[in-house]
Amino acid sequence: AQSVTQPDIHITVSEGASLELRCNYSYGATPYLFWYVQSPGQGLQLLLKYFSGDTLVQGIKGFEAEFKRSQSSFNLRKPSVHWSDAAEYFCAVGPYNTDKLIFGTGTRLQVFP
Amino acid sequence: GAVVSQHPSRVICKSGTSVKIECRSLDFQATTMFWYRQFPKQSLMLMATSNEGSKATYEQGVEKDKFLINHASLTLSTLTVTSAHPEDSSFYICSAPRGRPNYGYTFGSGTRLTVV
Repeated sequence: AQSVTQPDIHITVSEGASLELRCNYSYGATPYLFWYVQSPGQGLQLLLKYFSGDTLVQGIKGFEAEFKRSQSSFNLRKPSVHWSDAAEYFCAVGPYNTDKLIFGTGTRLQVFP
Repeated sequence: GAVVSQHPSRVICKSGTSVKIECRSLDFQATTMFWYRQFPKQSLMLMATSNEGSKATYEQGVEKDKFLINHASLTLSTLTVTSAHPEDSSFYICSAPRGRPNYGYTFGSGTRLTVV
């Protein structure tokens, strides 16, 4: 079955610290992988996506993610977190033909000054 | 580019009434629209997929008669919550896939529905 797992429900970091949000997927074919961010009461904003090619993907707001096929992972990273990064982060996987996305349960990021 | 405009952003309605939520693709043609529901502090749950000119496909457990979806044009998809009850209170989000060559999905800004 296709699924996305985000093991960390809630993460708290200090401003300026590094960040890694974990994402593991189970998918029968070559996946398209996405990371979205959602601020309270808002829609979803795409941070980055992976379709093919270089397994290290750069996104907006200083985020990057690395696709590791052997580990079925697509972890999101940021070297130095800003207070404005506090939000909910969702990992998602989809097929190549833009069928429905499968979302992880989300990770809530809290940033302390 | 690739904007999906969702309205209203917030709506409060009385129990038993119906509410319509609209999603418009502003600068592209959305032949498909996904409708999600999100409970507080939870992930997005796909409710249904609408395709322009055909009947929507509903996910298991979603009541077709309660959540009416219409996709009459390539730029407009609507979700109507009929005979709303307090348990229908939730955050509803639409999303349109982009297809080749960019792929990806564009999300609306969401609608907060509160049924009182």
